[in-house]
Amino acid sequence: ELKVEQNPLFLSMQEGKNYTIYCNYSTTSDRLYWYRQDPGKSLESLFVLLSNGAVKQEGRLMASLDTKARLSTLHITAAVHDLSATYFCAVDIKGAQKLVFGQGTRLTINP
Amino acid sequence: KAGVTQTPRYLIKTRGQQVTLSCSPISGHRSVSWYQQTPGQGLQFLFEYFSETQRNKGNFPGRFSGRQFSNSRSEMNVSTLELGDSALYLCASSLDYNNEQFFGPGTRLTVL
Repeated sequence: ELKVEQNPLFLSMQEGKNYTIYCNYSTTSDRLYWYRQDPGKSLESLFVLLSNGAVKQEGRLMASLDTKARLSTLHITAAVHDLSATYFCAVDIKGAQKLVFGQGTRLTINP
Repeated sequence: KAGVTQTPRYLIKTRGQQVTLSCSPISGHRSVSWYQQTPGQGLQFLFEYFSETQRNKGNFPGRFSGRQFSNSRSEMNVSTLELGDSALYLCASSLDYNNEQFFGPGTRLTVL
């Protein structure tokens, strides 16, 4: 059974600082996703990572994928308050249209 | 292009009742998946439909069921509601296997 684990689960940081969220998964997969969720809202797609070594950046967020280590990272650079949200990684089950999600990382950025 | 739509957005029911939630996928998308999000269990896969056929099912009791119509719209039904069914129910659509899923705004179900 595919398991996806994120850490940390809670992260409180100051504006201007850098930090990384980690996502480990237990079996091979076709792709890995990062989503953002604001309180009471749905999931907003941030990145889709398709291959080993893939790196994508959007603003202050950068995601990478190491399929050999079964690890993805979401790096936050010079955090701003607007990035406060819960971030989920999710992995596709091969051959099935089914996502397995990590527990989520609740990120709070303080002024 | 319009996104995934879900109705209703909010719903309050009492224990023992049943509920039907609706999802309209992005035009041209034939796969519809349903997920349940609760504070305790997180985001969990319920089932996936393609061309009116259920292809995959998650680990949920038989009280949870769904269907898909010829226009790819999907409904999910929960019978004999329990307090633990209170959750955000998310629908996602995609073209088919190995294609990105796009999520709707969700339906917030509260069971009293």
